[in-house]
Amino acid sequence: AQRVTQPEKLLSVFKGAPVELKCNYSYSGSPELFWYVQYSRQRLQLLLRHISRESIKGFTADLNKGETSFHLKKPFAQEEDSAMYYCALSGQSNTGKLIFGQGTTLQVKP
Amino acid sequence: DVKVTQSSRYLVKRTGEKVFLECVQDMDHENMFWYRQDPGLGLRLIYFSYDVKMKEKGDIPEGYSVSREKKERFSLILESASTNQTSMYLCASSSRVPFEAFFGQGTRLTVV
Repeated sequence: AQRVTQPEKLLSVFKGAPVELKCNYSYSGSPELFWYVQYSRQRLQLLLRHISRESIKGFTADLNKGETSFHLKKPFAQEEDSAMYYCALSGQSNTGKLIFGQGTTLQVKP
Repeated sequence: DVKVTQSSRYLVKRTGEKVFLECVQDMDHENMFWYRQDPGLGLRLIYFSYDVKMKEKGDIPEGYSVSREKKERFSLILESASTNQTSMYLCASSSRVPFEAFFGQGTRLTVV
């Protein structure tokens, strides 16, 4: 079964501090992993995906298969990063089912 | 510009009513999804469709059904609405390999 766990409901940091949003997954095969973000009064949208190995808005995430984790990191938080962040997993199947975690609210204080 | 459009932003229905939530996408995506979004519980998959007339149950299908007669439209049906189905409902679509899922604006359903 596919499962995504985000252990923190709320992460509050000061502007300029490092940020790490945790994500652990459970899947027996090779997963595709994603981070989605929802800013206030906006639609949920893709932030980044592990397969692209990209940095978006200063955020990076590395897939650690040994620890089954895909934590999201940013070295210096900005106030505009305040949002709800969701980790998501898609198993390597023909259908492309997409499962999300519980979400973490990131609050960046001035 | 990809568009996923949900028919209503806000709905108020009475307990026991049959409720239809409609979702339309214009990107010719194979996959469409219905999620519930509740504080502290995140996005929970209700149903998923990977082709016309094809569907797969998600984690919380009880009390819901879906219909996909055309590729661009995916409907969520509450056969007999109950107060515990009060929630924000999100529709999404993606290509077969979901490198990116696109979301609708959400429907906030209140069942009284």
